[in-house]
Amino acid sequence: QVQLQESGPGLVKPSQTLSLTCTVSGGSISSGGYYWSWIRQHPGKGLEWIGYIYYSGSTYYNPSLKSRVTISVDTSKNQFSLKLSSVTAADTAVYYCARYIVVVVAATPRKYFDYWGQGTLVTVSS
Amino acid sequence: DIQMTQSPSSLSASVGDRVTITCQASQDISNYLNWYQQKPGKAPKLLIYDASNLETGVPSRFSGSGSGTDFTFTISSLQPEDIATYYCQQYDNLPPAFGPGTKVDIK
Repeated sequence: QVQLQESGPGLVKPSQTLSLTCTVSGGSISSGGYYWSWIRQHPGKGLEWIGYIYYSGSTYYNPSLKSRVTISVDTSKNQFSLKLSSVTAADTAVYYCARYIVVVVAATPRKYFDYWGQGTLVTVSS
Repeated sequence: DIQMTQSPSSLSASVGDRVTITCQASQDISNYLNWYQQKPGKAPKLLIYDASNLETGVPSRFSGSGSGTDFTFTISSLQPEDIATYYCQQYDNLPPAFGPGTKVDIK
């Protein structure tokens, strides 16, 4: 059973960089077909996809956050990380890491988030 | 980017009622749509993929249909444990986008 666990500071000051790590257990982050994602949820609001990384290091970021986001992977530790720079109160949210599976079945792509971390609340405040 | 809308934003129904949620994409996404259930304080859980396929282990009272731009999610007989917020999510194009959610409550 794959498990994901977020870790990092729960409080970040405005203008600083938010840093979170997701540790994957029960499976290898280097397995093909999986994109390791970060998703956030503002308090009482919906889900916003931040970006993902493949084990090879290739990334794709949400254009709305691209200028401030960096996602990296450490295959030796089975971890991937999120950095979000120049944070403001608007970045206060629960941050989830999740596995995005991408498969092709009968020549048709199938993609979905199948495993999620429990989420970690990050508050931006001085 | 593809925008997703859902209606209603919330609903209240009785145990045993049939509940229907609609999701609309801003452009044709074929059947590249998933549905998730999120209970308070928990991470979302995949219920349906490819618009109509039930994820393994998910009760058969949940179902989905639709293609193109219009999709429907149905709970055939609402149970107390179904109290949650339900999200649709498109994966036709990057970035994958979620709908704003529909909160389901017991009347």
